[in-house]
Amino acid sequence: SQQGEEDPQALSIQEGENATMNCSYKTSINNLQWYRQNSGRGLVHLILIRSNEREKHSGRLRVTLDTSKKSSSLLITASRAADTASYFCATDLRYITDSWGKLQFGAGTQVVVTP
Amino acid sequence: GAVVSQHPSWVICKSGTSVKIECRSLDFQATTMFWYRQFPKQSLMLMATSNEGSKATYEQGVEKDKFLINHASLTLSTLTVTSAHPEDSSFYICSAREDRRVQAYEQYFGPGTRLTVT
Repeated sequence: SQQGEEDPQALSIQEGENATMNCSYKTSINNLQWYRQNSGRGLVHLILIRSNEREKHSGRLRVTLDTSKKSSSLLITASRAADTASYFCATDLRYITDSWGKLQFGAGTQVVVTP
Repeated sequence: GAVVSQHPSWVICKSGTSVKIECRSLDFQATTMFWYRQFPKQSLMLMATSNEGSKATYEQGVEKDKFLINHASLTLSTLTVTSAHPEDSSFYICSAREDRRVQAYEQYFGPGTRLTVT
């Protein structure tokens, strides 16, 4: 079953603009991860934020986590055409309800960056 | 490092036949691998957790006899779609976690296999 809901479902921006997408989830988590998927390809891990962290940066990516609201956001700054992809959040329930570290994915946000 | 391959990348088969999809961790060992299914423009749905040397753990609603999983070594897991039907047509993706990194939480994904059943 899907744990996360993401919004918006789709986002169209121009190069240089920032892109923000949100993810909400339902249960306690060990960590939350963001992945990127180019059309018809596998997923690439972008960033992981643990349940005791509130914000994390990696290059042009900034992730926040609010465990009280059970939500996370991914910000891509100064977007490029190459950032065009689908972005998924995934919750890891390890040590909470699962011992394998299974990921439950949100519905995804399709981002299109036009030159 | 941390590369996962899948073979084949795409396959077309006739209804009623079986198809085997391989997932390999190329440069690391993975006791645990995961199999997902993805329909067009939708999210990934976890099908099963594959564990080397033991039976796979299937998610609710996934038929064990329909989707056979074998994790024969620390670098290879296979998914066999038995007696495939058109509704099994989908994008199948595997992922693996690196054993060596005890605190590793991220998963490394294969490029996916597009299955079309005619």
